[in-house]
Amino acid sequence: GAGVSQSPSNKVTEKGKDVELRCDPISGHTALYWYRQRLGQGLEFLIYFQGNSAPDKSGLPSDRFSAERTGESVSTLTIQRTQQEDSAVYLCASSAGGTDTQYFGPGTRLTVL
Amino acid sequence: QKEVEQNSGPLSVPEGAIASLNCTYSDRGSQSFFWYRQYSGKSPELIMFIYSNGDKEDGRFTAQLNKASQYVSLLIRDSQPSDSATYLCAVNVYSGGYQKVTFGTGTKLQVIP
Repeated sequence: GAGVSQSPSNKVTEKGKDVELRCDPISGHTALYWYRQRLGQGLEFLIYFQGNSAPDKSGLPSDRFSAERTGESVSTLTIQRTQQEDSAVYLCASSAGGTDTQYFGPGTRLTVL
Repeated sequence: QKEVEQNSGPLSVPEGAIASLNCTYSDRGSQSFFWYRQYSGKSPELIMFIYSNGDKEDGRFTAQLNKASQYVSLLIRDSQPSDSATYLCAVNVYSGGYQKVTFGTGTKLQVIP
């Protein structure tokens, strides 16, 4: 597969549980973004990784949200103690560099009951 | 002031008409400009990018960039019902020590048959 992949495609969890979302970027892409998109809303920037630089965490809405990236490969977004307002589609995108075209994965739809 | 601004719409145009979508940005140093299309329930996909002042045409789509006015637009000629979607403008910005691509909130386009 040449595109960005995300897993799981759907996740249903109970309030208070932790969830982990995974993103596999396009091989060789140094930049990786996570976004949240609530129903009917725009893209909400969460975090940005560029190569080996410190990530831009300015969009993380609370300390319940964290993300890691191993080198220039897989990234995981972790949401601790999930709340109902965390329900959304979480999109990952990668690009060759920080100012280049972003290619989006299919997203993970998170539902918190 | 938001880094990238778009009118949320909806913008309604009759089939066959020209749809004009507009975007303004705040960073005078921006060099890369992108238009994405997002169908309901799907991930954003790139329509085209533009780096230089002036027009860039690709089929029925024309991107227009005016760096002096900090303005980028997308024209869709001979609009079709299948063009009905949300159109996202994205611009590279320098923010908080990071050079990254930032999205506007999108304009919803409705093409009326």
